[in-house]
Amino acid sequence: NAGVMQNPRHLVRRRGQEARLRCSPMKGHSHVYWYRQLPEEGLKFMVYLQKENIIDESGMPKERFSAEFPKEGPSILRIQQVVRGDSAAYFCASSPAASRETQYFGPGTRLLVL
Amino acid sequence: AQRVTQPEKLLSVFKGAPVELKCNYSYSGSPELFWYVQYSRQRLQLLLRHISRESIKGFTADLNKGETSFHLKKPFAQEEDSAMYYCALISGGSNYKLTFGKGTLLTVNP
Repeated sequence: NAGVMQNPRHLVRRRGQEARLRCSPMKGHSHVYWYRQLPEEGLKFMVYLQKENIIDESGMPKERFSAEFPKEGPSILRIQQVVRGDSAAYFCASSPAASRETQYFGPGTRLLVL
Repeated sequence: AQRVTQPEKLLSVFKGAPVELKCNYSYSGSPELFWYVQYSRQRLQLLLRHISRESIKGFTADLNKGETSFHLKKPFAQEEDSAMYYCALISGGSNYKLTFGKGTLLTVNP
């Protein structure tokens, strides 16, 4: 089992561009979580998805951010019109179920906005 | 709102010395506490959770509800323990939303 996969590992964007971050959960896991880690901070919950459903997006900024987990393919975190404050590490985690199950983390995508 | 505080950003000890990484939380209910570790160039991984009461790689952590603490301890630190350690909790209101502390970078010197 290759574990949670994220790509790209590093992403550089200019202000105003779009960033697309991908996450493939572990085999057999249907629950995906996205977290953001700003410099010098801990990881902060953004969104929880199951296949084709957003369950909890309470941690997502109201504008420019969206997430999906389609029936086929990876989960996508999309950031439109990026700003410098979006520069952070974005981590994806997955679990086989939601009820306090251990979350397995991917290596993260480091987004740098110039 | 729940909060996790790790007061030490950096902690440096010598090999063979005891180590304690502090974690305090604020939550009025019954949280579940975790310690995650991130070794250099590796992904974040679960070290231990209070509910399982395990000892992993010689580390233990006891939940102290009176002091709202979940300190991580190891009696004899090894160089391979050098890593970033994050304390986290899942609150009773959510079965999945992890709240993390800012982390403590542990360096074990030879």
